[in-house]
Amino acid sequence: EAGVAQSPRYKIIEKRQSVAFWCNPISGHATLYWYQQILGQGPKLLIQFQNNGVVDDSQLPKDRFSAERLKGVDSTLKIQPAKLEDSAVYLCASSLVEGTGELFFGEGSRLTVL
Amino acid sequence: AQSVTQPDIHITVSEGASLELRCNYSYGATPYLFWYVQSPGQGLQLLLKYFSGDTLVQGIKGFEAEFKRSQSSFNLRKPSVHWSDAAEYFCAVGSYGQNFVFGPGTRLSVLP
Repeated sequence: EAGVAQSPRYKIIEKRQSVAFWCNPISGHATLYWYQQILGQGPKLLIQFQNNGVVDDSQLPKDRFSAERLKGVDSTLKIQPAKLEDSAVYLCASSLVEGTGELFFGEGSRLTVL
Repeated sequence: AQSVTQPDIHITVSEGASLELRCNYSYGATPYLFWYVQSPGQGLQLLLKYFSGDTLVQGIKGFEAEFKRSQSSFNLRKPSVHWSDAAEYFCAVGSYGQNFVFGPGTRLSVLP
């Protein structure tokens, strides 16, 4: 069974530039999550989708971050414009059953903002 | 608000020694509890989970954890650590319909 796929693995940009991350969840997983993991901290939820609808985006900085999951499968997370404090690993996860916490994570996309 | 604390930022043990990683949580209702492991450059992998029932749960790779409601704790244990267990360990808490909160993590180093 293929796992959660993310790309790119690494990205270096300058502040005020834009960046996009892509995630393809495990086939059949209706719930998709984007987490931000700053060095030395645990993952923090940015947004949760159930199929193509947003369940929770309360911690997403909407002035600069956006995410979509148009067809209820893969998802894109965008940052525009990036700030230095956005340097982090962006983890995508999916789950078969919403709310059980059994998440399957991708390897993450590491963003460095200079 | 729900929260998770992992008091130990970094633990070093010798290979073959026993291990206990601490996790304390603050939550209004009976929580679901999880331990995840993250190897360098990798995503998180679920080690074990507690939903209800037996308070001692077994997980993968020889790990176990015990839920103690009176202490609001869910400590992770392993009787004999292997060099491959060196990683970052995260405790998480939540419940059905609620978002899950991760602790700050404990980094485990294993000495040969």
